[in-house]
Amino acid sequence: QVQLQESGPGLVKPSETLSLTCTVSGFSISIGHYWGWIRQSPGKGLEWIGNIYNSGSTYYNPSLKSRVTISVDTSKNQFSLKLSSVTAADTAVYYCARDKGGSGWTFDYWGQGTLVTVSS
Amino acid sequence: QSALTQPASVSGSPGQSITISCTGTSSDVGGYNYVSWYQQYPGKAPKLIIYDVTSRPSGVSNRFSGSKSGNTASLTISGLQAEDEADYYCSSYTGSSTLVFGGGTKLTVL
Repeated sequence: QVQLQESGPGLVKPSETLSLTCTVSGFSISIGHYWGWIRQSPGKGLEWIGNIYNSGSTYYNPSLKSRVTISVDTSKNQFSLKLSSVTAADTAVYYCARDKGGSGWTFDYWGQGTLVTVSS
Repeated sequence: QSALTQPASVSGSPGQSITISCTGTSSDVGGYNYVSWYQQYPGKAPKLIIYDVTSRPSGVSNRFSGSKSGNTASLTISGLQAEDEADYYCSSYTGSSTLVFGGGTKLTVL
C-alpha cells in the first residue's frame, strides 16, 4: 500500500523559506511516477504547486514558479518542497501526492496533509 | 492560469441524482480528456473518484460518473446517500503541462 507522509515546521516567519519533506513508503520513487505538492488555504480550494519525476524533471504552477523548488532524494525515498519569501497568503495545509501515471496529472495517493502557518 | 469554475454548493435528497459542473477553457477542460474529480471530507485529504473524464478508480462506487461537453466537465452522483455529503473538486491538465483545480463544490444531502 502506497503511503505518503509530510513533515516539516508548522510555523514559518514572513519572508523566510517554507521547507517540507514527503516520505514515501510502500513504493519506490525510483520505479517511476511523478510526485506532487498541492496546498489548500483555510476554507479554500486546492492549488497545485508542482510535480517532480525521479530524474529531477519538474513542472511548476506559473503563479508560484519564481518562489518554488521541488527536489527528490531517491536514496531516502523522499521528495521535498521549498517555498521562498513566504507571506500570510502561503498559510495552508500542504499535501504531497503521487501522480497515477499515464497522461495528465491525476493524484491517486495523498498524504494526510500538514498545516503550515506563516506568522511572526 | 485561472481556476476552473464550479458551483459553490449543490444539494439533493437521498436517492436523487445531482450533477456538479466544472467549466474551463479550450486550453484545459476543452482541450484534453484529462479531467479528474476528487471527494474531500472535512479535515481529510482529497480522494480520487474520477479520472480521464469518465474512468473510475478501483473501489469507487459506480454511482459516480463523469462526462464532458466542450469546455465543461460534469460529475454525476446517482442514488444520493448521506455519506456523499462532502466537498468535490475538479481538476484539468492544461496546455502548459500544468494542472488547474476548480474552486470546489459543497454537496449537501438534505
